[in-house]
Amino acid sequence: DAGITQSPRHKVTETGTPVTLRCHQTENHRYMYWYRQDPGHGLRLIHYSYGVKDTDKGEVSDGYSVSRSKTEDFLLTLESATSSQTSVYFCAISESTGDAFFGQGTRLTVV
Amino acid sequence: AQSVSQHNHHVILSEAASLELGCNYSYGGTVNLFWYVQYPGQHLQLLLKYFSGDPLVKGIKGFEAEFIKSKFSFNLRKPSVQWSDTAEYFCAVNNQGGKLIFGQGTELSVKP
Repeated sequence: DAGITQSPRHKVTETGTPVTLRCHQTENHRYMYWYRQDPGHGLRLIHYSYGVKDTDKGEVSDGYSVSRSKTEDFLLTLESATSSQTSVYFCAISESTGDAFFGQGTRLTVV
Repeated sequence: AQSVSQHNHHVILSEAASLELGCNYSYGGTVNLFWYVQYPGQHLQLLLKYFSGDPLVKGIKGFEAEFIKSKFSFNLRKPSVQWSDTAEYFCAVNNQGGKLIFGQGTELSVKP
């Protein structure tokens, strides 16, 4: 498996609190992505990065922010968590061709 | 905007039956196309990919897909499914600018 690690793997948080998920890679891939996976919706792109400090919005970016200060780390922040953000979050990495490697996922529950 | 549509949400087959899962995308430019598989409780893994050349591509585990440019389609096929193919299958499109968009997924259940 590609060197990609997500932390934490599971988290329960309260409505209104900020939450940060971390994605760390050891492959030196240029592109990094954050997706959320919900039944019936497949994977929806939240944000992606095409280099250090270069990020762009995906389909469902409202309520989320990202940062990439180093090639290897891509952070996803829920500024004020809501129950609708309960989901499984996947990080992925790729080069420009788009064939991506995925992390193991983070199961986030907002209560 | 770029989008991917998978027409079958849940497919149920018996072992040895043939499989075809539909995928259509909307994007006017050059794209790279992918099928990913997600086994229960696991993360997504690449099944096969198309960049250019022969529109019929072969992937792992006997899967293949055909790119039909005029129909904006990239359908996944397997001549004879096995119980171990039970999983969720995702079609994805990359517009070569980095954005990788997925379809809604198709859940495949194979009865032994």
